[in-house]
Amino acid sequence: QKEVEQNSGPLSVPEGAIASLNCTYSDRGSQSFFWYRQYSGKSPELIMFIYSNGDKEDGRFTAQLNKASQYVSLLIRDSQPSDSATYLCAVNMGYSSASKIIFGSGTRLSIRP
Amino acid sequence: EAQVTQNPRYLITVTGKKLTVTCSQNMNHEYMSWYRQDPGLGLRQIYYSMNVEVTDKGDVPEGYKVSRKEKRNFPLILESPSPNQTSLYFCASSHPRVDEQFFGPGTRLTVL
Repeated sequence: QKEVEQNSGPLSVPEGAIASLNCTYSDRGSQSFFWYRQYSGKSPELIMFIYSNGDKEDGRFTAQLNKASQYVSLLIRDSQPSDSATYLCAVNMGYSSASKIIFGSGTRLSIRP
Repeated sequence: EAQVTQNPRYLITVTGKKLTVTCSQNMNHEYMSWYRQDPGLGLRQIYYSMNVEVTDKGDVPEGYKVSRKEKRNFPLILESPSPNQTSLYFCASSHPRVDEQFFGPGTRLTVL
């Protein structure tokens, strides 16, 4: 069974601090990795994707990928109350650009003022 | 406006009564997918389609059927719904060379 694991939380972080979200995956052949944000009662929306080892930054968000250790993380700097949501890690298990996607169960993040 | 639409948004039905949830996208995406979301289990892929007439099973395909006769539409069919198919369903689409999936608003299905 190919798996993507996340700590379900809730993760509580003070406003302005760095929130760190982690995800591990089981399939070494996985090619691409995604972080989605989902507000309660809403659809998931993509925050970042990453394909190569290392860091990828976009505004307050940084995705980190370590294929040797099979983990991907998301850092949120200067956390805002609007960042309070569930964050879903997703992994493309296929070798084509879009095929079988496995999602983790999500980490609930709460930013306290 | 670029979007993925699903209908119905809410549905309550009874065991064994066939139903179809429609999904349509106006972005000319080749890739479409269906997910179900249950508390504590996250999003689980039911079926996906790489293009017209090309579909494949995801992680939890049992009890579901799909078809892809047109690029824009990807209906999800429950031939004989059961209570364990009570869930929140999302349809998503993307261009195959860009991995960002765009999700529909969701369909909340209750099977009694």
